[in-house]
Amino acid sequence: EVKVLDSGGDLVRPGGSLRLSCVVSGFTFSSYAMSWVRQAPGRGLEWVATAGGSGAATYYRDSVKGRFTISRDNSKNTVYLQMNSLGPEDTAVYYCAKTRGAVVGTSFDYWGQGTLVTVSS
Amino acid sequence: EVVLTQSPATLSVSLGERAILSCRASQSVSSNLAWYQQRPGQSPRLLIYDASTRATGIPARFSGSGSATEFTLTISSLQSEDFAVYFCQQYNRWPRTFGQGTKVDLK
Repeated sequence: EVKVLDSGGDLVRPGGSLRLSCVVSGFTFSSYAMSWVRQAPGRGLEWVATAGGSGAATYYRDSVKGRFTISRDNSKNTVYLQMNSLGPEDTAVYYCAKTRGAVVGTSFDYWGQGTLVTVSS
Repeated sequence: EVVLTQSPATLSVSLGERAILSCRASQSVSSNLAWYQQRPGQSPRLLIYDASTRATGIPARFSGSGSATEFTLTISSLQSEDFAVYFCQQYNRWPRTFGQGTKVDLK
């Protein structure tokens, strides 16, 4: 059974930093890309970042480039999202999601329960 | 970036009726399109990928069609658990983008 458990969300002040974590099980972690997708309160879904299976290939949406870093530790079946210089526009529930196939950036077939990041003074 | 426009924003349907949801892309995404269902307070759930392939465990009443810029999700006979928000997503180009969602509620 595939499990995706994301965590690390918190209340943080503007300009602050936070690291989200996502631990997975039930599949060969290094064979699949992993992504973070966020959802602002009452809003739609927004893709944030993707890391390929080895972690060497990474992709970001423009609004987080230079501020967020996605990384993974395949020995721990864990993917991270380091978020720096946070602003109110980053307030959202952040979901960790597994890609369906081995190809980077396809559809997302398993999702975590989400972790809430609130940026406010 | 590829903009996905979903219509209608809200679809009011009776139990047992058919629902047809639309997703239009601002440029061709080939068949690289997925549909997700999100129930209140829950994470999204993959329904359809590659425009028309049902994901594992998805009931046959859900079907997807289309290619290039025009896509449709059809729910053949609405069940109570199908009242939710539905999102389309393209994975043909970076950045990956989602539609704004269609809410299916009870008529």
